[in-house]
Amino acid sequence: AQSVTQPDIHITVSEGASLELRCNYSYGATPYLFWYVQSPGQGLQLLLKYFSGDTLVQGIKGFEAEFKRSQSSFNLRKPSVHWSDAAEYFCAVGADTGFQKLVFGTGTRLLVSP
Amino acid sequence: GAVVSQHPSWVICKSGTSVKIECRSLDFQATTMFWYRQFPKQSLMLMATSNEGSKATYEQGVEKDKFLINHASLTLSTLTVTSAHPEDSSFYICSAEIGTSGSNEQYFGPGTRLTVT
Repeated sequence: AQSVTQPDIHITVSEGASLELRCNYSYGATPYLFWYVQSPGQGLQLLLKYFSGDTLVQGIKGFEAEFKRSQSSFNLRKPSVHWSDAAEYFCAVGADTGFQKLVFGTGTRLLVSP
Repeated sequence: GAVVSQHPSWVICKSGTSVKIECRSLDFQATTMFWYRQFPKQSLMLMATSNEGSKATYEQGVEKDKFLINHASLTLSTLTVTSAHPEDSSFYICSAEIGTSGSNEQYFGPGTRLTVT
């Protein structure tokens, strides 16, 4: 069974600074990996996903993530954080079972300071 | 496109009563819908997976008789919490998926906050 670890419960970043959110997964085969963002009152929004191919994945809102099989990691990055990026971020791993059964990490709350 | 709605967005009910939560895909037909539960400051836990016209598949530890799921059409799934108790208070989130490939994206609803008094 797959599992996901997000070691940082919350992170504070200054506006304009770079961001990296960590995600480690456990899965026996090639995983499907996702990053979602959750804002209050809104549903989870998909930032990016990795299924195969290029290990550096570009997403929406200027986010990117790099799949590193050797480290079982899929860290999310953004070069310059905006105050509107403050939210809860979830990493998830899925398996091709005919439908996408996702296992989520515990999330990282991003705080952006002025 | 690909919008999923949930109704109600929040509900308060008394212990022992039942409450129904609706999940609708507004602009697409969903072959599969999922129900998650999220505790404060915790992750989303998959409760069950449902396909239109068939019985839901529940995750281990989820009580089928307590959390009734009906996937009546390709655009509507409902979760009924029966004989609710305070420990059922939580944030319930649904999602919908298009297609039958594992590489499909799930679209999430905004969630329903249930408080049982």
